Amino acid sequence: GQNIDQPTEMTATEGAIVQINCTYQTSGFNGLFWYQQHAGEAPTFLSYNVLDGLEEKGRFSSFLSRSKGYSYLLLKELQMKDSASYLCAVRDSNYQLIWGAGTKLIIKP
Amino acid sequence: DSGVTQTPKHLITATGQRVTLRCSPRSGDLSVYWYQQSLDQGLQFLIQYYNGEERAKGNILERFSAQQFPDLHSELNLSSLELGDSALYFCASSRVGGSSGSDTQYFGPGTRLTVL
Repeated sequence: GQNIDQPTEMTATEGAIVQINCTYQTSGFNGLFWYQQHAGEAPTFLSYNVLDGLEEKGRFSSFLSRSKGYSYLLLKELQMKDSASYLCAVRDSNYQLIWGAGTKLIIKP
Repeated sequence: DSGVTQTPKHLITATGQRVTLRCSPRSGDLSVYWYQQSLDQGLQFLIQYYNGEERAKGNILERFSAQQFPDLHSELNLSSLELGDSALYFCASSRVGGSSGSDTQYFGPGTRLTVL
């Protein structure tokens, strides 16, 4: 079967750095997406990785290792507005998106 | 604003009833996806349409059906509603229906359905 694992919940402090991990086992791989979802709102696209390595976008970076079936989202200089769920999704060999259950990130002052 | 629109924003109805949710994709997007998200749960993929044709099916109940019209807007029909159908229903759209690895789904604001 296809599986994506993310921690259910993480807590971090305002101004700090947090790393949210995602491991996947899918039938094939055609890219990995990260989305941010505030409670009661729509998911919004953050990043896409298809090659190994780090992609940086301002305070957010996403890393991929295809050989390890592993990705992480790194959030720097945390702000209270970063409190949200972060969803990892993998595009499989049939080009279908397989979604993780999401990681709820709580930021404390 | 993603450019994907959904109506209505909120819907309150009774068990046994039928409702229709509507979605208009971003300009230029050919594919529409429907998702269900119950309280504090992950996204559950229901169904995908590409240029009017059903492309993929997820965990969609037989009581639910959808279609995509020639102008590319889509409707999700939910019938014989049960209390457990109360959820946020999201529509997303993408350019080419996922046939390119980087094809990104953009989500509408959702319809919150409450079944009493």
